[in-house]
Amino acid sequence: GGIITQTPKFLIGQEGQKLTLKCQQNFNHDTMYWYRQDSGKGLRLIYYSITENDLQKGDLSEGYDASREKKSSFSLTVTSAQKNEMAVFLCASSIITGGYAEQFFGPGTRLTVL
Amino acid sequence: AQSVTQPDARVTVSEGASLQLRCKYSYSGTPYLFWYVQYQRQGLQLLLKYYSGDPVVQGVNGFEAEFSKSDSSFHLRKASVHWSDSAVYFCAASMGNYKYVFGAGTRLKVIA
Repeated sequence: GGIITQTPKFLIGQEGQKLTLKCQQNFNHDTMYWYRQDSGKGLRLIYYSITENDLQKGDLSEGYDASREKKSSFSLTVTSAQKNEMAVFLCASSIITGGYAEQFFGPGTRLTVL
Repeated sequence: AQSVTQPDARVTVSEGASLQLRCKYSYSGTPYLFWYVQYQRQGLQLLLKYYSGDPVVQGVNGFEAEFSKSDSSFHLRKASVHWSDSAVYFCAASMGNYKYVFGAGTRLKVIA
């Protein structure tokens, strides 16, 4: 088995601040994802990376940057945190199969912006 | 536009009772379909998935789901729920293009 680690678990930022969230997986999966989860809403795709050195925008990419440093790691940057923003950011990975494989999720990073 | 709808935001059932959580999808073709569960403050875990074939698929912990093309649905069922089944359940779909669309989730509460 494998595991997805997300750091930090809790992130408190100030309005306008640039914040970085990190994700590591040891499944040796090719594809990695960043989702945003808001209370009462489903997961919304921010960025995904099909393989190392690839980067694709999701439906919610505005206000975010991403970086796939190596096969096992995928970072997400909130370019300018919005006041009163609260959400959970979930990282996921899957084997490269064309998008119908099971996704494995990390425990999430909870963001609060003061 | 492609979408997944879970019409019930919250469901409360008694322990030992049967359960059905509803999921409807809107796609031009037949997507790949998934049910995930999220326990408090954890990531999502796969319960079951459907690609093709027998419309009733079995998952972990006694869960099953039934695909209906005519109804564009993929409802989740369990014959007898346990208090530990209390969690948020997400239905998801993909057309094989790396983009998964998730429903808003159904929060299940199991009471004694």
